[in-house]
Amino acid sequence: GAGVSQSPSNKVTEKGKDVELRCDPISGHTALYWYRQSLGQGLEFLIYFQGNSAPDKSGLPSDRFSAERTGGSVSTLTIQRTQQEDSAVYLCASSWRTESNQPQHFGDGTRLSIL
Amino acid sequence: SQQGEEDPQALSIQEGENATMNCSYKTSINNLQWYRQNSGRGLVHLILIRSNEREKHSGRLRVTLDTSKKSSSLLITASRAADTASYFCATDDNTGGFKTIFGAGTRLFVKA
Repeated sequence: GAGVSQSPSNKVTEKGKDVELRCDPISGHTALYWYRQSLGQGLEFLIYFQGNSAPDKSGLPSDRFSAERTGGSVSTLTIQRTQQEDSAVYLCASSWRTESNQPQHFGDGTRLSIL
Repeated sequence: SQQGEEDPQALSIQEGENATMNCSYKTSINNLQWYRQNSGRGLVHLILIRSNEREKHSGRLRVTLDTSKKSSSLLITASRAADTASYFCATDDNTGGFKTIFGAGTRLFVKA
C-alpha cells in the first residue's frame, strides 16, 4: 500500500514568508508525528497527534509554528514569518497508534530553504 | 534534552566486514528502536527491543540492550555497500507521553 506522502518535496522561500507543509499518513494510522532534521543531525521532535486527543505540541520551537490534523488524516505544518534558522528537512511519520512500541513509518520529508 | 546518543559519529569499513554502532541514553525506557536513513530519504524502522529483552536478531542485524548501563548496540554482519546510510537509535521519553527521542546518528560508509 501507499506509504507516508509529504509535499512539497522541496520549498524555497524568502525570509518572512509563511509556508505550509503537508503530510498524508498511511491510511488507518491514528498517530502522526512531525520532526525537524537539520543537516547531518538527528531528529528534533515537534508535535504528535493521536486520534481525537489534544496534540502534544511541546516540541514546537516558537509560536510561529503550528500544526493541524483534519479528520484524523492529513496534517499541515505551518511556519509563519519564516527565519533562516527554520531551514531544515521536515519529516512526517505515522503509526498505528501512539504507543512507544509501535514503529513509525516516515515520509521522505520536505526540504525547506529560507533565503 | 537528547535521550539517545550514538557512537561513533561516523564509521567507514570494507564490504564484508562487520559494523558495530553504539547508543547510550539517560533515563529508563520501555523500549529502544533502531532506524536507518538513506541520503535524502525518510527513516526506515529496523528493529525494536523491549526493556526486558537483552538481544534480538533480524537477518544480518543483531541488537543488544544493557539497561544497567543504559546502552544498546547494533551489529551489522557481512556488510554490503548498500548498507551505507545513517543509523539512529530512538527511545521513548518515559515521561508518560509518547514522544520518540532520536539520537544524532552514526553515518556508516561501506566501501565496495
